[in-house]
Amino acid sequence: QQQVKQSPQSLIVQKGGISIINCAYENTAFDYFPWYQQFPGKGPALLIAIRPDVSEKKEGRFTISFNKSAKQFSLHIMDSQPGDSATYFCAASRSSNTGKLIFGQGTTLQVKP
Amino acid sequence: ETGVTQSPTHLIKTRGQQVTLRCSSQSGHNTVSWYQQALGQGPQFIFQYYREEENGRGNFPPRFSGLQFPNYSSELNVNALELDDSALYLCASRPTGFTEAFFGQGTRLTVV
Repeated sequence: QQQVKQSPQSLIVQKGGISIINCAYENTAFDYFPWYQQFPGKGPALLIAIRPDVSEKKEGRFTISFNKSAKQFSLHIMDSQPGDSATYFCAASRSSNTGKLIFGQGTTLQVKP
Repeated sequence: ETGVTQSPTHLIKTRGQQVTLRCSSQSGHNTVSWYQQALGQGPQFIFQYYREEENGRGNFPPRFSGLQFPNYSSELNVNALELDDSALYLCASRPTGFTEAFFGQGTRLTVV
């Protein structure tokens, strides 16, 4: 019940295209859903996060869509750029304890010029 | 820059040895969490410390232990190292009342 499942495992997108990564969770007690970006040799960096009281949140080219009934959420990267090439992780936790994050397996994104 | 610094960046140890990894956080970051990230996997929660006391633990054996100090630094200790302990170890700290956790760059541990 603690799992967060992420797909696809890898993704190749042309420059200017839309990258879409999906996640599904099981624990209905989770109410904080962040997305992290990780470059090789670096720690994860928070991109954007959402709580279940909204169905969508947008920050610049990054949008999270959230479907509470399906227990799914997704990251959309609009106008993907080569600099977006990295590994992306979704995560989930209780908002009362966001230090205990349950991460998905990760998606390696490659944006081709 | 996240203000979270880990040391060393790389480390090679022999099976059966003990290792101590260190994390230095910003002032006011009272909560620190440690994660293990195996190659090609997402980070897995090891444990969390708040005001120098452990207040949450993941599915890791007791040979994984930690300490948090009043100066906002912390340690992860691993005894009796096994080959499967080879991973990137991440610490993440968070100020009280904040949601976002800030990750360090990690320590790459290789056990041979």
